[in-house]
Amino acid sequence: GIQVEQSPPDLILQEGANSTLRCNFSDSVNNLQWFHQNPWGQLINLFYIPSGTKQNGRLSATTVATERYSLLYISSSQTTDSGVYFCAVDNYYGGSQGNLIFGKGTKLSVKP
Amino acid sequence: KAGVTQTPRYLIKTRGQQVTLSCSPISGHRSVSWYQQTPGQGLQFLFEYFSETQRNKGNFPGRFSGRQFSNSRSEMNVSTLELGDSALYLCASSWSGTVGGNEQFFGPGTRLTVL
Repeated sequence: GIQVEQSPPDLILQEGANSTLRCNFSDSVNNLQWFHQNPWGQLINLFYIPSGTKQNGRLSATTVATERYSLLYISSSQTTDSGVYFCAVDNYYGGSQGNLIFGKGTKLSVKP
Repeated sequence: KAGVTQTPRYLIKTRGQQVTLSCSPISGHRSVSWYQQTPGQGLQFLFEYFSETQRNKGNFPGRFSGRQFSNSRSEMNVSTLELGDSALYLCASSWSGTVGGNEQFFGPGTRLTVL
């Protein structure tokens, strides 16, 4: 099955700093999502981005499907950005309807 | 539009008991997926339902089962609970679960503790 690797596993930033989170995947995908897990455990949708580039405020994401990676950019980080960021993919044509495969996440801590 | 809802939010059970968790998808969404999150194994796929049919299943023992109703609401059941079943159980819905309609939206989860 598809393997998903996220880096770095941990990241500590000062408020106001920028960061880049990376997600590598081992096969072609037709869904790639970035999530932020809040302290209560809920996964908040950040981007649905199987290919291309999207921006939403201070966050942006780029997926290069041909090279099998995606990047999540966080600019001017705030303490509320702290938490775990997950990348997840699926490969419908591999027979995996509704089956997101998650990376292990990047734990981000933003210090005031 | 209301998001995905899950009930109950917290559960405490003892070994050997069984438990039923409920998930109501976003209105109009017909695909419901279930995931288990533990510190050791991370987020793992349990199963996916579409139009009351299980289309896909993860690598979990038969003690884990689910179903979907005609209104797309879904339940999952875990029988003969083990200590290792303690986890956050997350439900997600999407419009169709297939290309073009497979963005998943998650509920707040049910935190199950098995004593």
